[in-house]
Amino acid sequence: EVRLVESGGGLVQPGGSLRLSCAASGFTFSSFEMNWVRQAPGKGLEWISYITGSGSIIYYADSVKGRFTISRDNAKNSLYLQMNSLRAEDTAVYYCARLSQGNWGQGTLVTVSS
Amino acid sequence: QAVLTQPSSLSASPGESASLTCTLRSGINVGTYSIYWYQQKPGSPPQYLLRYKSDSDQQRGSGVPSRFSGSKDASANAGILLISGLQSEDEADYYCMIWHSSAYYVFGTGTKVTVL
Repeated sequence: EVRLVESGGGLVQPGGSLRLSCAASGFTFSSFEMNWVRQAPGKGLEWISYITGSGSIIYYADSVKGRFTISRDNAKNSLYLQMNSLRAEDTAVYYCARLSQGNWGQGTLVTVSS
Repeated sequence: QAVLTQPSSLSASPGESASLTCTLRSGINVGTYSIYWYQQKPGSPPQYLLRYKSDSDQQRGSGVPSRFSGSKDASANAGILLISGLQSEDEADYYCMIWHSSAYYVFGTGTKVTVL
């Protein structure tokens, strides 16, 4: 069974940083692209970042480019999202997702507020 | 203009069919893309329903009932999710998604389905 479990969310002040993690199991992690998707309260889904299985190709949405960094550790079956210079509009539930296969984690809530 | 546009809401009665559209922005040809469909209920992550590119290239998610099906309307440049025999448990938000070469993964604006 495929499992994706996010962690690391919480309350952070504007301008602060946070690192999200996603632990993957049930599939050969290194063989698949992974993504981060977020959903602001009461809003729709927003794709924010993509990384290939090897980590050699990375894409970002314009809304987070230059502030967020996606990475992965295939030896640990883990995906990460380093979020810097956080803004109020980054407040959302952040999901780790294997979009090409339709697998999502339960999400972790990030709240940016003073 | 959004890359993928969905009607904000749709209402139908139990047992009826509901047709959800996902219209691609002008200049993006629906025939080129696989359209992914997700269902999301309050407080839960999206659940994968199906992927549709053509009648010969489609995939329904594990455990997804056959009353969920995909198609395309080339004349409208739109992907379609058809829910047959609507049930109360189908009340949810529905999102379409594509992989676009310059925008990467793109989600539609979402449709809230209400079962009357």
